[in-house]
Amino acid sequence: DTEVTQTPKHLVMGMTNKKSLKCEQHMGHRAMYWYKQKAKKPPELMFVYSYEKLSINESVPSRFSPECPNSSLLNLHLHALQPEDSALYLCASSQIGEGQPQHFGDGTRLSIL
Amino acid sequence: AQSVTQPDIHITVSEGASLELRCNYSYGATPYLFWYVQSPGQGLQLLLKYFSGDTLVQGIKGFEAEFKRSQSSFNLRKPSVHWSDAAEYFCAVGAGANNLFFGTGTRLTVIP
Repeated sequence: DTEVTQTPKHLVMGMTNKKSLKCEQHMGHRAMYWYKQKAKKPPELMFVYSYEKLSINESVPSRFSPECPNSSLLNLHLHALQPEDSALYLCASSQIGEGQPQHFGDGTRLSIL
Repeated sequence: AQSVTQPDIHITVSEGASLELRCNYSYGATPYLFWYVQSPGQGLQLLLKYFSGDTLVQGIKGFEAEFKRSQSSFNLRKPSVHWSDAAEYFCAVGAGANNLFFGTGTRLTVIP
């Protein structure tokens, strides 16, 4: 059982839709992450939040908008996505500091029509 | 610059056979090394981690890994593979605070 919970598990949306992905953890971790993973590839880092503040944005297009309302929650707001954005979106959390292992959720499988 | 290489894209082993997955890293400082496993349709699960100290690290599900600084390697091993071990395996190096660099992964197929 994963300690990082992501909802929804699957999402199909049109290119003009607005939707949000949600992530929740109750491990007291103060770093949270969004990754994008295409089939047969490793996860690619999108965003990092440290102490609820955005610390890393890996040049992600503005159609992806992250939000960290509190230390347990992380959202990813989606708008005007493209078919190439179809992927598995993974959330992770960790303690702050060097070498801290990241704990992953099971992801949201996103399909853009 | 940091990087991780997993030379084997796909490995097939028979159930009950031993397993070794290779991982080589490049990092200027003391590396923090991890192995993750990903079953189809799921997220990544941490198998084990190396920070310092004993170079042979024990993990979950009967896996172990050995850190060899002279070879810049962190190979994953299991003495007897089970059918449920079929999955994608990722080696990763931690660089700085909260940065994780993944290898390209090795897909493991287990034959009955």
